[in-house]
Amino acid sequence: DSGVTQTPKHLITATGQRVTLRCSPRSGDLSVYWYQQSLDQGLQFLIQYYNGEERAKGNILERFSAQQFPDLHSELNLSSLELGDSALYFCASSVDPVSVYEQYFGPGTRLTVT
Amino acid sequence: DQQVKQNSPSLSVQEGRISILNCDYTNSMFDYFLWYKKYPAEGPTFLISISSIKDKNEDGRFTVFLNKSAKHLSLHIVPSQPGDSAVYFCAAKRLQGAQKLVFGQGTRLTINP
Repeated sequence: DSGVTQTPKHLITATGQRVTLRCSPRSGDLSVYWYQQSLDQGLQFLIQYYNGEERAKGNILERFSAQQFPDLHSELNLSSLELGDSALYFCASSVDPVSVYEQYFGPGTRLTVT
Repeated sequence: DQQVKQNSPSLSVQEGRISILNCDYTNSMFDYFLWYKKYPAEGPTFLISISSIKDKNEDGRFTVFLNKSAKHLSLHIVPSQPGDSAVYFCAAKRLQGAQKLVFGQGTRLTINP
């Protein structure tokens, strides 16, 4: 158990819909990262937050947005969903963003868009 | 542009033998490298890491080797155990700036009894 929690575990929804994925980082970790893993692909970095502020953006679609709240949990919002958005979405956390500290991953949310 | 590549999608090794997983990268700005292990229905679990100032890091049965001139790293597992069967991801990052990890596509390791 990495200490990072993600809800829900599974989500099935239809094209055009909007969903929210939730992540709680490990106790003491201030930085949260979101990654997407599509079928047979490596994990692709989406976005990073540190202590409530956006720190870095990867190849995140404009239909996707995220935020980190004062209690440090984070939410990833996916809207106008398309079939190609079906993937595993992982959240990771680390102590701070500019260090050699490893990122610890949650169990992921499997999103299926039908 | 795949900056981190794991060219072997799968590897099968006999229990007790050495498993060697390989990873190549193209971005010379990467200065920290990590290996993660992933079981089905779980998130990746950190295994071992190495800074670009080193060429070897060892932790129990796991050793990571880094060849900067070749932009190549490898993970050695010895002896291999059935519980090592998983997907292994190589990842790289820059210590300055954004801390995002750039992952390879993964190698599925199967340890045969």
